[in-house]
Amino acid sequence: NAGVTQTPKFQVLKTGQSMTLQCAQDMNHEYMSWYRQDPGMGLRLIHYSVGAGITDQGEVPNGYNVSRSTTEDFPLRLLSAAPSQTSVYFCASSRTQANYGYTFGSGTRLTVV
Amino acid sequence: AQSVAQPEDQVNVAEGNPLTVKCTYSVSGNPYLFWYVQYPNRGLQFLLKYITGDNLVKGSYGFEAEFNKSQTSFHLKKPSALVSDSALYFCAVRDEVTGGGNKLTFGTGTQLKVEL
Repeated sequence: NAGVTQTPKFQVLKTGQSMTLQCAQDMNHEYMSWYRQDPGMGLRLIHYSVGAGITDQGEVPNGYNVSRSTTEDFPLRLLSAAPSQTSVYFCASSRTQANYGYTFGSGTRLTVV
Repeated sequence: AQSVAQPEDQVNVAEGNPLTVKCTYSVSGNPYLFWYVQYPNRGLQFLLKYITGDNLVKGSYGFEAEFNKSQTSFHLKKPSALVSDSALYFCAVRDEVTGGGNKLTFGTGTQLKVEL
């Protein structure tokens, strides 16, 4: 099993550009989420989904959109990139039940200049 | 609301000595608690979890954690540290009564440095 696959691994954007970070999982997990990791701030939840067609906002959703058309895929869209969105982004998935831990992707390092 | 605190940004320990990485939490109901480890330029890896039952939980790579309900703590421990344990460690919590699927709240992380 591939687990959780994130692409690209690295990306440099200019301010105002848009892009989509891809996330795919092959474990048939209902729950998927996006976090950003910044020094000294840990992981902060951007958006999450409890199943296909259902998404909700996390702690820091502004400037980001998500959709969940299939169980496998959960892309994160940056609408108009800003330097404040420079970060490392992680996608994670799990079964919905609370006693399941997360499986994380390897991350996307994004720099906005 | 659920929250978790890791009071130490960095913990230094000599190889062979015991290590402790601290975590305290706040939830409305019963907590589900997790520890994850992150090696440089990698994603987070699951170490162990507490859901219910025995307060001492054993996990991967010889790590264990002790759940203390009265002190609302879930400290990560290892009897004998290795240089290869050097990494960033995250504690995470989910409130049993929280909606939104399996939404975890993570701490800010503790950098563990094990020296020879």
